Amino acid sequence: AQKVTQAQTEISVVEKEDVTLDCVYETRDTTYYLFWYKQPPSGELVFLIRRNSFDEQNEISGRYSWNFQKSTSSFNFTITASQVVDSAVYFCALSDLRPGGGNKLTFGTGTQLKVEL
Amino acid sequence: DAGITQSPRHKVTETGTPVTLRCHQTENHRYMYWYRQDPGHGLRLIHYSYGVKDTDKGEVSDGYSVSRSKTEDFLLTLESATSSQTSVYFCAAHETLGGGYTFGSGTRLTVV
Repeated sequence: AQKVTQAQTEISVVEKEDVTLDCVYETRDTTYYLFWYKQPPSGELVFLIRRNSFDEQNEISGRYSWNFQKSTSSFNFTITASQVVDSAVYFCALSDLRPGGGNKLTFGTGTQLKVEL
Repeated sequence: DAGITQSPRHKVTETGTPVTLRCHQTENHRYMYWYRQDPGHGLRLIHYSYGVKDTDKGEVSDGYSVSRSKTEDFLLTLESATSSQTSVYFCAAHETLGGGYTFGSGTRLTVV
């Protein structure tokens, strides 16, 4: 069975601090995708990034960066110089690409990030 | 983006009544999903569809049924609502395997 663990339930930081959100996953598949979604207080789910299992290069997008390490089954998300607008719940998710699996996403329980002035 | 619309956005219903939530997409995506979001559980899959009239159960399907008679519409029905089904329901869609989901805005359902 697939599983995603986000052990950090809530993180509070002061604006301009860097913060890393942890994601650990379990799967027996050799091919899979990992995702991060953001859910701001307004409630919608916003896609941030997709990473396939064959690409372990780190990715940077502005203040956001992602560190994918297959050896430790982790896909961590770092926000540099956090801002109040980063306050949200962040979800990590793992896809099921098995035949007949319907490409279902398994989500972690989310990390609530609070960025304060 | 799939252009997903969920209706209603909010609903309060009584225990034992049937409820249908609607998800409509405008991009002709093949795959559609219903998730529920509850504190401490993240998002959990209820049912999904991989084509018209092709549906399957997710991890929390008890008490729910779905139908997909057209590509663009995916309906979630609670046959007899219970208080444990109070939740926020999200619909999602995508086209390709491994593709990122696009989510609707969610439906907040309260069963009293």
